[in-house]
Amino acid sequence: DARVTQTPRDKVTEMGQEVTMRCQPILGHNTVFWYRQTMMQGLELLAYFRNRAPLDDSGMPKDRFSAEMPDATLATLKIQPSEPRDSAVYFCASGRNTGELFFGEGSRLTVL
Amino acid sequence: SQKIEQNSEALNIQEGKTATLTCNYTNYSPAYLQWYRQDPGRGPVFLLLIRENEKEKRKERLKVTFDTTLKQSLFHITASQPADSATYLCALDKGSSGSARQLTFGSGTQLTVLP
Repeated sequence: DARVTQTPRDKVTEMGQEVTMRCQPILGHNTVFWYRQTMMQGLELLAYFRNRAPLDDSGMPKDRFSAEMPDATLATLKIQPSEPRDSAVYFCASGRNTGELFFGEGSRLTVL
Repeated sequence: SQKIEQNSEALNIQEGKTATLTCNYTNYSPAYLQWYRQDPGRGPVFLLLIRENEKEKRKERLKVTFDTTLKQSLFHITASQPADSATYLCALDKGSSGSARQLTFGSGTQLTVLP
């Protein structure tokens, strides 16, 4: 049963520390998305890749966030330095030309 | 500015009744609209997709309508069950071409089906 895999599931860190979240998209999917979910803002799009190329990262704070796809099986989202306001659940999703997205279970980040 | 609004944050209905959830949007011209289900602590799960030239789509007990004139989609769950209790999210694409769409999500409606 193909699924999007995200690690870590939970991360507690202190302000100023670097956080890296990883995502393995479903094999054969050519688009990868990073979303952030909070109670206040809901699901917000942070970054979007197609065929490993970044297409849109306008939703991402550029000074501290970076997203990459070093290969087709791995997408990363890095926060450096982390701040308490970054506390949220970060979701990775992948898809193809049928339109629907397949989400991972999320990485819950708490920055103290 | 672009906005997606889903009706009331929470909706409670009695088991066996039909649940109707609303998604209204402004300043979008979506090529299609999608509905997702999200359970606590889990990622959203795709349910249905409806294209701008489709009026209605059905899947088992689920039905979605899409009115591009009213800029509204209705999501119905017939013969609702307690297991249908979850948060339901609507999502619109930005109308760009290409493969898997860049979706923007509404804030969701939390549905509780009472036994």
